Amino acid sequence: KAGVTQTPRYLIKTRGQQVTLSCSPISGHRSVSWYQQTPGQGLQFLFEYFSETQRNKGNFPGRFSGRQFSNSRSEMNVSTLELGDSALYLCASSRWSGGGNEQFFGPGTRLTVL
Amino acid sequence: SQELEQSPQSLIVQEGKNLTINCTSSKTLYGLYWYKQKYGEGLIFLMMLQKGGEEKSHEKITAKLDEKKQQSSLHITASQPSHAGIYLCGAVSGGSNYKLTFGKGTLLTVNP
Repeated sequence: KAGVTQTPRYLIKTRGQQVTLSCSPISGHRSVSWYQQTPGQGLQFLFEYFSETQRNKGNFPGRFSGRQFSNSRSEMNVSTLELGDSALYLCASSRWSGGGNEQFFGPGTRLTVL
Repeated sequence: SQELEQSPQSLIVQEGKNLTINCTSSKTLYGLYWYKQKYGEGLIFLMMLQKGGEEKSHEKITAKLDEKKQQSSLHITASQPSHAGIYLCGAVSGGSNYKLTFGKGTLLTVNP
């Protein structure tokens, strides 16, 4: 069974640009969550999508947005990039939404903003 | 909001030694996850605990959730270099809002 895949694995952008990251969950999983990981803040929750609907959102500015498609694949978009957006972005999938469900993580996308 | 504190922040052990990593929550834990991460890579799911007093083992790793459900410990027996990495605990907030809050992680180095 294929795991969670994320593309691209590495990305370099400049300030002010926008970026779109993609996440394909494990087959049969309908929930996709996104996280940002930085050395200073650690791993922080961005948002969760389940059946194409955003279920929960973390404390990030509106520049961070996402969506989920009918096949459960999800994209995350960051507009007007700032230097502080440089981070490892991880997505995780689970079969259902809500606590008590195992979350499986992808390898991440390393975003560098210059 | 829920906060998780992991201790120690880093740990260096000799191969073959046992070790314990702790995760303490500021609120009652409704679900506690343990993950392992190699630097700059994704998280590998280790175990999930939900019930107070629950204990799970996988190979040489054992995790427990205390009765009051505000602390969990991860114990590695006879450590090996393959155990090296960052161990993260994650907790589910109670209620209908589901999101995982993570601790800052414990960096484990195992010297051969």
